[in-house]
Amino acid sequence: NAGVTQTPKFQVLKTGQSMTLQCAQDMNHEYMSWYRQDPGMGLRLIHYSVGAGITDQGEVPNGYNVSRSTTEDFPLRLLSAAPSQTSVYFCASSPNSGQPQHFGDGTRLSIL
Amino acid sequence: GIQVEQSPPDLILQEGANSTLRCNFSDSVNNLQWFHQNPWGQLINLFYIPSGTKQNGRLSATTVATERYSLLYISSSQTTDSGVYFCAVKTGANSKLTFGKGITLSVRP
Repeated sequence: NAGVTQTPKFQVLKTGQSMTLQCAQDMNHEYMSWYRQDPGMGLRLIHYSVGAGITDQGEVPNGYNVSRSTTEDFPLRLLSAAPSQTSVYFCASSPNSGQPQHFGDGTRLSIL
Repeated sequence: GIQVEQSPPDLILQEGANSTLRCNFSDSVNNLQWFHQNPWGQLINLFYIPSGTKQNGRLSATTVATERYSLLYISSSQTTDSGVYFCAVKTGANSKLTFGKGITLSVRP
């Protein structure tokens, strides 16, 4: 049972490039979410999904897109990377929005 | 939105000492979690505790929902307890988990 798996673990991009951060869970959880963590701050919610086909914006959604075509996968897309998006990104899942969330190991993203 | 304040922001302990970490929140919550972020950046679930008291080995947590605070107790601290401790809460039907800024704990041998 792998839990929540994020790929890649590290990535360096140039300003303006696009990329997709992958998140997969094998626990059949309905609720999935993406957070970013910046130095000296707690995690901030980017986007979340309460089930396949349903997504919604969190606290800091600008510059990011998500989709949820299957229960297992919740990719996060950066369409045109900016240096302000340099951060550590965490994906999390839970059976539903009221249950404790389980986090992946994070993706460390640097944008030059 | 709800405000989550954690204190103290930094804590240095000698191995073997006990400590109490505090989380205050500004509104009623139906979900409260404590996490430990280890030096490798991994977020580990410690407790899911919207109310009451729970214990897991040397760690225990108490949430007094009516007074809007939660406490995390670490007894006989070890160097492996070092890292950042986060409190995170949810209110009502809101699906957003709001994090505090964390408490950085350093346990010295």
